[in-house]
Amino acid sequence: AQTVTQSQPEMSVQEAETVTLSCTYDTSESDYYLFWYKQPPSRQMILVIRQEAYKQQNATENRFSVNFQKAAKSFSLKISDSQLGDAAMYFCAYRRVDAGNMLTFGGGTRLMVKP
Amino acid sequence: EAGVAQSPRYKIIEKRQSVAFWCNPISGHATLYWYQQILGQGPKLLIQFQNNGVVDDSQLPKDRFSAERLKGVDSTLKIQPAKLEDSAVYLCASSLVGGRLRGNIQYFGAGTRLSVL
Repeated sequence: AQTVTQSQPEMSVQEAETVTLSCTYDTSESDYYLFWYKQPPSRQMILVIRQEAYKQQNATENRFSVNFQKAAKSFSLKISDSQLGDAAMYFCAYRRVDAGNMLTFGGGTRLMVKP
Repeated sequence: EAGVAQSPRYKIIEKRQSVAFWCNPISGHATLYWYQQILGQGPKLLIQFQNNGVVDDSQLPKDRFSAERLKGVDSTLKIQPAKLEDSAVYLCASSLVGGRLRGNIQYFGAGTRLSVL
């Protein structure tokens, strides 16, 4: 079974600074997807960024980028120029390509942004 | 485009009572998911529907939980009877299709927070 681990329960960053959230996963598959979701206090999970395992290039979405290390099974999220609105729970998630689209989530990291 | 709608937003019940949650997915989305998110944890899939058929319910506690998706659109998740450990947020998500399609994204509703006293 696949597992996803987020080792940082909480992180704090100063507004306009950069922060990196860590995620590791365990799988025997070679083709899969990885995601970062943001969950603000409103509870709605919002997709931040996704990575396909067969692509070597790291995904980027505006201020959000990932560092995907397939051999190390590591998938970290970097948030540049942090904003107050970035404060939320962040979840890393894994999905097999040949599964029924089921997501396996990590335990989450709470990001606090200080003004 | 309207998102995934869920109701109610909050529900408080006593143990051994029954409760039902409702979900309306994004129009045209064939696949619907119910997740349970216990406080301080990531969401865990309970059941997945493809149209009105069940794809995966391996983590659904079938002795007390049931779900249906009549006509392949709206879905209802029921707990009967509820236990204290069922206190959680119940999230509904939908995606255009399931399976192998690359880029298939799950969109989530705001969830229902259940408190069992």
